[in-house]
Amino acid sequence: GAVVSQHPSWVICKSGTSVKIECRSLDFQATTMFWYRQFPKQSLMLMATSNEGSKATYEQGVEKDKFLINHASLTLSTLTVTSAHPEDSSFYICSAADPGLAGGPHNEQFFGPGTRLTVL
Amino acid sequence: GQSLEQPSEVTAVEGAIVQINCTYQTSGFYGLSWYQQHDGGAPTFLSYNGLDGLEETGRFSSFLSRSDSYGYLLLQELQMKDSASYFCALTGGGNKLTFGTGTQLKVEL
Repeated sequence: GAVVSQHPSWVICKSGTSVKIECRSLDFQATTMFWYRQFPKQSLMLMATSNEGSKATYEQGVEKDKFLINHASLTLSTLTVTSAHPEDSSFYICSAADPGLAGGPHNEQFFGPGTRLTVL
Repeated sequence: GQSLEQPSEVTAVEGAIVQINCTYQTSGFYGLSWYQQHDGGAPTFLSYNGLDGLEETGRFSSFLSRSDSYGYLLLQELQMKDSASYFCALTGGGNKLTFGTGTQLKVEL
């Protein structure tokens, strides 16, 4: 199946600093990627849809100026958490669908391994 | 908006069959998916129902009834490695997924 990677897998930063998380599709091109946040023992919450070559679309309640998304190429999307605070500590996961599989019997999205962010 | 409810925890013994239910509220969707997530790991795709009825994939089966706003995941011949969290998810416009509350499955000897 298609492979999605994330970097870094974990990061610890000081309050007030910014952190960039990369999401890459390794063996397919993804015009659309999705960013999720997951707090411990909770579900995945969609934060935004990352569109290659255009602005991201954010879900209601997600601050676009705090969570900057850039989708500069068909294989890379980045999420930057600006001025991070302890309440931003969470597990951030990206996903993408392989357009080569579009129209098939499945509607599978492939998820990256996630990035655990801890803000001190 | 969309919302999906699942039981928070289910416990079963190795070798048994377990069913994880998912009830949802939505104004429209394309299909219902199921994902497995081990602690600290990425969600992995298990099954998808675009139409009503049963889909079978090895030890896993999934069912959807649009008229009842209900679906379930059936796991057969349970193994210890099946201990994980399971999420149902609705696919909406733009291929966006809305995840359910999640069910933690514990498989015991």
